[in-house]
Amino acid sequence: AQKVTQAQTEISVVEKEDVTLDCVYETRDTTYYLFWYKQPPSGELVFLIRRNSFDEQNEISGRYSWNFQKSTSSFNFTITASQVVDSAVYFCALSGANTGANSKLTFGKGITLSVRP
Amino acid sequence: GAGVSQSPSNKVTEKGKDVELRCDPISGHTALYWYRQSLGQGLEFLIYFQGNSAPDKSGLPSDRFSAERTGGSVSTLTIQRTQQEDSAVYLCASSSGGVGGANVLTFGAGSRLTVL
Repeated sequence: AQKVTQAQTEISVVEKEDVTLDCVYETRDTTYYLFWYKQPPSGELVFLIRRNSFDEQNEISGRYSWNFQKSTSSFNFTITASQVVDSAVYFCALSGANTGANSKLTFGKGITLSVRP
Repeated sequence: GAGVSQSPSNKVTEKGKDVELRCDPISGHTALYWYRQSLGQGLEFLIYFQGNSAPDKSGLPSDRFSAERTGGSVSTLTIQRTQQEDSAVYLCASSSGGVGGANVLTFGAGSRLTVL
């Protein structure tokens, strides 16, 4: 069975602070995909990033960066110089590569990030 | 359409009534998913349609829940004899890829169901 754990439930920071959202996953698959989605107050989930299990390079996109470490089964997400518009619920998700049950996305419970001006 | 469209956006119903929730995926997307989001519970998988294959219904919580996808496009999620624990946001998503877990899902805004 696949599992995604987002131990942090709510984080509150002041604008311009850096913040890291943790994600730990469990899977028996050797090939799998990890995702982060953002759910702003409007409710619609927005895709942020997909990473496959063979690519452990960290990725940076503007103020966003992701740290994938297979050794600790973690896929953490850092927002640098946070802004009020970053306030949202952030979900980490996992899927297997093949067809069948594991090809569906398994989500963590989400982290509510509040950025105060 | 440009995005995944869901209707109604809000539905309030009485316990015991049936409800239908509609999802119109992105044109050309072969895969369609329904998820349920309850307060503090993350997203729970309900059902998955891929092309003309038999749907994966493994996430449906009870036989009161069913879903159809007509003509490989629009999908309807039906909840019969609604219970208060059915209150949640029901999210639909679609993707363009073939089978497999690499697909990026595009989500709709959801249908918020409240059962009184």
